[in-house]
Amino acid sequence: EVQLVESGGGVVQPGGSLRLSCAAAGFTFSNYAMTWVRQAPGKGLEWVSVITSSGASSYYADSVKGRFTISRDNSKNTLYLQMNSLRVDDTATYFCAKDGAVIAAPFDSWGQGILVTVSS
Amino acid sequence: DNQMTQSPSSLSASVGDRVTITCQASQDISKYLSWYQQKPGKAPKLLIYDASNLETGVPSRFSGSGSGTHFTFTISSLQPEDIATYYCQQYDDLPFTFGPGTKVDIK
Repeated sequence: EVQLVESGGGVVQPGGSLRLSCAAAGFTFSNYAMTWVRQAPGKGLEWVSVITSSGASSYYADSVKGRFTISRDNSKNTLYLQMNSLRVDDTATYFCAKDGAVIAAPFDSWGQGILVTVSS
Repeated sequence: DNQMTQSPSSLSASVGDRVTITCQASQDISKYLSWYQQKPGKAPKLLIYDASNLETGVPSRFSGSGSGTHFTFTISSLQPEDIATYYCQQYDDLPFTFGPGTKVDIK
């Protein structure tokens, strides 16, 4: 059974930084691209970033480009999202999701989500 | 960016009713569309991928169709446990984009 567990969320001031982690189990992590999706309170889903299975390539939504960095450690079966220069509108629940062998694939498993609150 | 629209934004139907949601892409996405179900406080769940393929373990009352820019999601007989918000999403090209969602309630 695929398991994805996010951690690292919390409350941070505008301009601050936070690093989210997503621990994966139940599948061969290094074979799959991985994605972050976020959901602001009461709003819809927004794709944030994707990284290829090897970690060689990554892509970002314009709203986070230059501020967020996605990475992975295949030896630890863990996905990361480094979030810098956080803004109030980054407040959201962040989900990690399992992508396909290639990045253009549906997200077939999701973590439970972790709340990030950016507030002074 | 490929903008996704959904209609209706919300609907109320009776148990046993047939429910249909439409999703439109601003650019041709071939078959690269998925449908997700999200219940309050929970993570989204993949129901349909490649426009019409049912994810393993998903009840057969859920179905999808379409290609290009126009897609349809159907619940053939609405059940109480289907109360949720449903999102379409294109994965044909980056950035991947979601529709705004359709909230389904029981009348």
